[in-house]
Amino acid sequence: GQQLNQSPQSMFIQEGEDVSMNCTSSSIFNTWLWYKQEPGEGPVLLIALYKAGELTSNGRLTAQFGITRKDSFLNISASIPSDVGIYFCAGQPQGGSEKLVFGKGMKLTVNP
Amino acid sequence: NAGVTQTPKFQVLKTGQSMTLQCAQDMNHEYMSWYRQDPGMGLRLIHYSVGAGITDQGEVPNGYNVSRSTTEDFPLRLLSAAPSQTSVYFCASSADRVGYTFGSGTRLTVV
Repeated sequence: GQQLNQSPQSMFIQEGEDVSMNCTSSSIFNTWLWYKQEPGEGPVLLIALYKAGELTSNGRLTAQFGITRKDSFLNISASIPSDVGIYFCAGQPQGGSEKLVFGKGMKLTVNP
Repeated sequence: NAGVTQTPKFQVLKTGQSMTLQCAQDMNHEYMSWYRQDPGMGLRLIHYSVGAGITDQGEVPNGYNVSRSTTEDFPLRLLSAAPSQTSVYFCASSADRVGYTFGSGTRLTVV
């Protein structure tokens, strides 16, 4: 089945730094999503991308849908302590499936 | 507007016991899914539904049953609990089958 390769698996950064993470697949995806999960809670949708090449921002977060439709990246600028959490990419495989595929997550630690 | 409500939040079961994890959403979403989350494995789809009366299997359906008698409710049943089913379970719903809203999870331990 489709798999999403998310990298890096974890990052430790200083407050104020920018951070980038990406997600790749060997298959084409129609939609890319980025979620954040905080301890003890469910994932929360940050950004949804629907078209190849699309670049979308949500505050300090920017995400792009790769031209090949096989990758996506998320960038967080000027990190703050509350950015701590696990960031997941997710995608809707080509064919319009209801089955979202999730990456394994990237754990972000921000040192004040 | 409560969103997606999961109960219970925590549960301990003995091997072989059965139980139902409850999930309810008040957003009139057609699409609902159940995921399990294990360390290092991300979120894996157990079962999903595209509307009342319609369910289908996800990636890891064995040992679980679902039904969707109403738009609001999507319970997950463990038929005979096994230690391998120790996990955190998330229910999610969506209006557009893409942007899912997740519940806060049920933490299940099978001993």
